[in-house]
Amino acid sequence: DQQVKQNSPSLSVQEGRISILNCDYTNSMFDYFLWYKKYPAEGPTFLISISSIKDKNEDGRFTVFLNKSAKHLSLHIVPSQPGDSAVYFCAASEFSGNTPLVFGKGTRLSVIA
Amino acid sequence: GAGVSQSPRYKVAKRGQDVALRCDPISGHVSLFWYQQALGQGPEFLTYFQNEAQLDKSGLPSDRFFAERPEGSVSTLKIQRTQQEDSAVYLCASAPGTGELFFGEGSRLTVL
Repeated sequence: DQQVKQNSPSLSVQEGRISILNCDYTNSMFDYFLWYKKYPAEGPTFLISISSIKDKNEDGRFTVFLNKSAKHLSLHIVPSQPGDSAVYFCAASEFSGNTPLVFGKGTRLSVIA
Repeated sequence: GAGVSQSPRYKVAKRGQDVALRCDPISGHVSLFWYQQALGQGPEFLTYFQNEAQLDKSGLPSDRFFAERPEGSVSTLKIQRTQQEDSAVYLCASAPGTGELFFGEGSRLTVL
């Protein structure tokens, strides 16, 4: 039973537009959420995180939104660039990150020039 | 180097062979994690160390899988009597204790 779900396997967006990647979770004990980006033949790299005490965290072109009541988070990338094309994984953990991360299956983002 | 280093990057094994995968974490990171990533899936947790102590091995799929970190630094994941379903990328990550994990490039295991 998947605790972290990314229901869109793929997403295509035009360069310069906004990319929105979604993630749902079922475990109400999760209190720390992260997004990772993965290029082929490389390990996942950390992108941005958010604690459950916040509902938004922004870092440059990347913003993560958390809706605890809906158990939903999203990653917004604006403006999208061709170099953003990668697989994005949503991850969550309990106890402020001091337990192993649980990952979703990923969403492949293609940014078209 | 400054990042997590894994070796070998690619390993082809015949069914029934034993394999050993090595992970060199970032210096000073006390936590070390192993994940398994099958094709088209997200990373799945295998096991976790804090220094040399293996705190959680609930994700190891069978008793053919064994991990160790004897001196609290380098870790080895060993798979005995490999099966085809063991084919995956094995990812190692280390953590400084702030929540995010820093991953290596992975070891891709193919069992024929």
